[in-house]
Amino acid sequence: GAVVSQHPSWVICKSGTSVKIECRSLDFQATTMFWYRQFPKQSLMLMATSNEGSKATYEQGVEKDKFLINHASLTLSTLTVTSAHPEDSSFYICSAMSGVVTDTQYFGPGTRLTVL
Amino acid sequence: LAKTTQPISMDSYEGQEVNITCSHNNIATNDYITWYQQFPSQGPRFIIQGYKTKVTNEVASLFIPADRKSSTLSLPRVSLSDTAVYYCLVGATSLSGNTPLVFGKGTRLSVIA
Repeated sequence: GAVVSQHPSWVICKSGTSVKIECRSLDFQATTMFWYRQFPKQSLMLMATSNEGSKATYEQGVEKDKFLINHASLTLSTLTVTSAHPEDSSFYICSAMSGVVTDTQYFGPGTRLTVL
Repeated sequence: LAKTTQPISMDSYEGQEVNITCSHNNIATNDYITWYQQFPSQGPRFIIQGYKTKVTNEVASLFIPADRKSSTLSLPRVSLSDTAVYYCLVGATSLSGNTPLVFGKGTRLSVIA
């Protein structure tokens, strides 16, 4: 149980285009999802917290107009990187938690974004 | 959010028991301790979670002293496939709000044949 999927697993795009990454909780309902970014040889950095039906909460230094997050249902959150640039190239990872009693965050497999 | 401190790296031979200790001096009353394993280009994988004393599952044990200011992840008889980065995190559960986990630098475990 507690499986989180991401789509796509990797994407290559041209500078200036927008890319959407999906995060799904497959076997549980996730009231909260988180988005992280990880650069090579570094740890995960939290970007934003996404609660179903409400606006996402962004960490300091993360541009909310550039990284659009939508959590329209209890099983799906999307991250859209708008007007992507090469410096946005990174490994994007989502996690989900069900919000029931003792909770655990379960992570997706990640999405490798390369902006040319 | 409690900050954690772990050794940057550890080496071990196959078949040995590996203990990775994490310090979290500022852990709050509501915080749980969770350990994750991450392989390159993959998302972190949940290993074990605990609040106090000892927790054991099919892959690891977690030892937490009474003051909860540290914890030790114990991996019995490691194999080459256990080579990965291990993260110790502390955070609140949904009982007090869905607090995101803040990742430290983790411990890079290298298992040698």
